[in-house]
Amino acid sequence: ETGVTQTPRHLVMGMTNKKSLKCEQHLGHNAMYWYKQSAKKPLELMFVYNFKEQTENNSVPSRFSPECPNSSHLFLHLHTLQPEDSALYLCASSFGQAYSYEQYFGPGTRLTVT
Amino acid sequence: AQSVAQPEDQVNVAEGNPLTVKCTYSVSGNPYLFWYVQYPNRGLQFLLKYITGDNLVKGSYGFEAEFNKSQTSFHLKKPSALVSDSALYFCAVRGLNAGGTSYGKLTFGQGTILTVHP
Repeated sequence: ETGVTQTPRHLVMGMTNKKSLKCEQHLGHNAMYWYKQSAKKPLELMFVYNFKEQTENNSVPSRFSPECPNSSHLFLHLHTLQPEDSALYLCASSFGQAYSYEQYFGPGTRLTVT
Repeated sequence: AQSVAQPEDQVNVAEGNPLTVKCTYSVSGNPYLFWYVQYPNRGLQFLLKYITGDNLVKGSYGFEAEFNKSQTSFHLKKPSALVSDSALYFCAVRGLNAGGTSYGKLTFGQGTILTVHP
């Protein structure tokens, strides 16, 4: 639908598991973002990558570890998560320098931590 | 610090009636303003943006928004609502960073649930 895909769409994991979320954009964009969307809370920006370099980490706990091997792919590695980390995790991308243009979002990964 | 307020958690309108979803903002410098829509179990979809120029911006699906600098508002409007417009709508703003040297991150409002009744 938007050229940004995310897998898996749904993930249930225990607090001791390690898993990874994947995002891929087919739009030729140079900036990529991870957001967390929780019920009744504003959208929270987690990480920003600009031309594969991480430019922002908004005080995200170390149990979340991003990786951007190239401008088209973005990963979020998860380990020893807490139940409060259950949320919809959204990936987005945009053209040019980060924040210069509108962002295009993927469908999200619905994460449940048990 | 920049901020966005969407004063209504929910807006209810009848199909065929005009709709307005309100947004006010606070930023340093000239604002870049955006509207996004989110349907259930989907990501956010870009609707429209204001960067500069004409205060009335037209976007996807018949939506438009009016930039009002004096009132620091950017309300989303549609002349005739459809049931399929029912969704969660987010306003977002980008202004100068804390140092005033460049444009900073995008700040989203909390969202407004629009329900259009048949």
